[in-house]
Amino acid sequence: DAGVIQSPRHEVTEMGQEVTLRCKPISGHNSLFWYRQTMMRGLELLIYFNNNVPIDDSGMPEDRFSAKMPNASFSTLKIQPSEPRDSAVYFCASSLMGNSQETQYFGPGTRLLVL
Amino acid sequence: AQSVAQPEDQVNVAEGNPLTVKCTYSVSGNPYLFWYVQYPNRGLQFLLKYITGDNLVKGSYGFEAEFNKSQTSFHLKKPSALVSDSALYFCAVRGQTGANNLFFGTGTRLTVIP
Repeated sequence: DAGVIQSPRHEVTEMGQEVTLRCKPISGHNSLFWYRQTMMRGLELLIYFNNNVPIDDSGMPEDRFSAKMPNASFSTLKIQPSEPRDSAVYFCASSLMGNSQETQYFGPGTRLLVL
Repeated sequence: AQSVAQPEDQVNVAEGNPLTVKCTYSVSGNPYLFWYVQYPNRGLQFLLKYITGDNLVKGSYGFEAEFNKSQTSFHLKKPSALVSDSALYFCAVRGQTGANNLFFGTGTRLTVIP
């Protein structure tokens, strides 16, 4: 299995631009999680989906952030407009919900720099 | 509410010595507990988990963790540290019963000194 795939791996953009981060979960997994990691705030859960349905988006910083999961094999996290304080590493993770198989498997992350 | 605490930001240990990275938890209901490791510029990697059963859980790379219900702790241990174990370690607990999100600690940076 290829594991969780994220793209791009690195993104540099200017303030005000739209940024779209992409994630392909492990095949067969039915839960998907988006996290943000910064030195100041550590690892934060932004949103997660079960069976393509958003369950908890209370971690999404503000309306500039949105996430979608149109099907079981793809999710996007969009920031519009981006701001310098959004600079962080964004991780996607997936898991198989149920039967105690709660282990989350993380992608390599997207390192975002907003200038 | 579920939460974990990692009281040490940094742990230093000499190569070959035993290591312990501490974690305490707070949950309502039975705890599902996890340890992850993060190497530089990488995503988090699953090390081990406690769901039920034996209090001593064995995981990847020779790590193990001991679940202690009375002390609400889940400390990560390894009998003999390697320089390559130097990394950031995260403890996590599953959300409330019926939820499958994880709450992560703030992380402990382990440095193994040659």
